[in-house]
This record gives sequence, C-alpha cells and structure tokens, in this order.
Amino acid sequence: GQQLNQSPQSMFIQEGEDVSMNCTSSSIFNTWLWYKQDPGEGPVLLIALYKAGELTSNGRLTAQFGITRKDSFLNISASIPSDVGIYFCAGPLRDSNYQLIWGAGTKLIIKP
Amino acid sequence: GAVVSQHPSWVICKSGTSVKIECRSLDFQATTMFWYRQFPKQSLMLMATSNEGSKATYEQGVEKDKFLINHASLTLSTLTVTSAHPEDSSFYICSARDSLTYNEQFFGPGTRLTVL
Repeated sequence: GQQLNQSPQSMFIQEGEDVSMNCTSSSIFNTWLWYKQDPGEGPVLLIALYKAGELTSNGRLTAQFGITRKDSFLNISASIPSDVGIYFCAGPLRDSNYQLIWGAGTKLIIKP
Repeated sequence: GAVVSQHPSWVICKSGTSVKIECRSLDFQATTMFWYRQFPKQSLMLMATSNEGSKATYEQGVEKDKFLINHASLTLSTLTVTSAHPEDSSFYICSARDSLTYNEQFFGPGTRLTVL
C-alpha cells in the first residue's frame, strides 16, 4: 500500500542553522502537505503543494514537490527556538475520501 | 481563516463513563471531518472519517460501538467514547476538510483524555 517515509527521525541543530527534511514514497502523490505539531497541540498546516516541481515558501520555510511526484522536502532557514516541534509530511490516499497518510515525523531540537 | 476548535481540551473521567468530544469548524463548512488518535511520540492514527449527514467510516480495528461519531451539521462533529477504560486514555484530534479546498485538512487543538 501507499506509505510515506520521512527522514530524519530527529535533528539536533544550533540556533541559526538551516534545516532540511524530506519525505519519499514508492507511490505517486498529487498533493504534499507539511504540518508542524507542538507538544499538546494539533498539527498546523505549514505548506500545501499541488503541482510537480512546485516550490513554495512560507516565511523561512520552503517546500518543494518533487518532479517525480514521489518525494517532497521541507527546508527551514536560520532556525529559531520556536521552530522546535515535530514536522509531519502527509499526502492523500488514493481512492479515499480525502484521507491522508502521514510520515512518521521529524523531531526538531535546537541546542542551546 | 480555517479555524477548527475542539472541546474540551482535556478531560479526566472514571472508568465506565462516557465522554463526548466536540469538533467545530469556525469559519468554513466542512463536509468531511476526521478523527485521529495519537499516542506519545507517535504519528497520528486515523480512527474514522465523518461525513455530514451520513454514517462515519471507521478504520480497521476501531470499534464503531465504542467510538460513536455524529456529524450532524457542516460545522460540527462529535466523538463519544463510550464506557471508557484506562486504555482509551490518549490524545484525540479532529480535523476538517474545507469543502472549497482540495486536500488540505485543518486540525483542532486536540483533547487529552485520561481515564482513571
């Protein structure tokens, strides 16, 4: 079945560093969504991608929809303490009622 | 825009009682809402898909008589955990799909359920 492989599982970085994470699949997706979840909160949509090759920015965040439609990456530039959290990629299941499948998440930790 | 609220944000109950969680889309209409469960340090696990005016579709392994879902209007879905037991303790999150967008889901802040 469809699966999303998200990496890395966690990242320890210094404040000010750039961050990169990605999701891959053996299946084709027509939408890629990137969410951030803070502890004890629901996920918040960061960026939605709808077209192969699309590159979209949201402030310091940039995400790209891979040209093969089987992958996507999320970059965060000049990380700040409030970037700490868990980042999830998600994509719609084929032939579903708009259900999403989820990557396992990337936990971002910023070293003091 | 695209705000989803959940109530209550947390609840503690005794074993055997039922708990109702509400999910509301505040500024858009949601023909489809989703209910997720999340265990610590894990990703979201879809429990059921709720369509306005029709029966919910439950994922494999989720007991529909245990987790009752009602999506009575385009802005409200409820999840009732019946006869709750300690193993039902979890973080429950709802999401709503804006009828005007394609695949984006907007999430509520979650409800922390603790069953004693």
